[in-house]
Amino acid sequence: EVQLVASGGGLVQPGRSLRLSCAASTFNFDGYAMHWVRQAPGRGLEWVSSISWNNGGIGYADSVKGRFTISRDNAKNSLYLQMSSLRPEDTALYYCAKDMNGIQTNAFDIWGQGTMVTVSS
Amino acid sequence: QSALTQPRSVSGSPGQSVTISCAGSSNDVGAYNYVSWYQQYPGKAPKLIIYEVIERPSGVPSRFSGSKSGNTASLAISGLQADDEADYYCSSYAGTYTGVFGTGTRVTVL
Repeated sequence: EVQLVASGGGLVQPGRSLRLSCAASTFNFDGYAMHWVRQAPGRGLEWVSSISWNNGGIGYADSVKGRFTISRDNAKNSLYLQMSSLRPEDTALYYCAKDMNGIQTNAFDIWGQGTMVTVSS
Repeated sequence: QSALTQPRSVSGSPGQSVTISCAGSSNDVGAYNYVSWYQQYPGKAPKLIIYEVIERPSGVPSRFSGSKSGNTASLAISGLQADDEADYYCSSYAGTYTGVFGTGTRVTVL
């Protein structure tokens, strides 16, 4: 079964950093673009960041630009999101999601279970 | 990167049809045929039901269909069923490796 497992969430103070990971299994990870999408409690989905199959194309939402960094290690079938200068409004369930294509088309066909990030003092 | 605009809620009786609109701009929905739709049940991850405006992934019933005109995309659900009651989100590629989601629509089956 094609699977994405996100981890690394937790409770963190404002201004601190956190690194999320997403482990992929049973699909050709290095052939697809990957994304992070978040959902604040009781709110809608928000696209956060994406990375193409070969790291050649990276994009960020304006709300996280300059604070978050997306990366991937195709040898380890893993996607990462380094989050710094965290704010209370970054509190959300963070999903990793697979694109149907190698470049970003924002068609997310596989989703992880999500990892919760809570930013609070 | 403004969120795409969807109606907050739509409703219909079993067997009826409903349509959800997704209004964007010439920078996202109007510029690319990379509009997708997602169904989300409470406490669950979203599920892809339409991609590239009109395409359905394997296993998604033909009752779900997508379309686009100008800067507005639409999702139609025909033959409404009880388990169609969920939240629905549109999404679009927005250029330079970025994306945007819609505000979300709650579908209620009366």
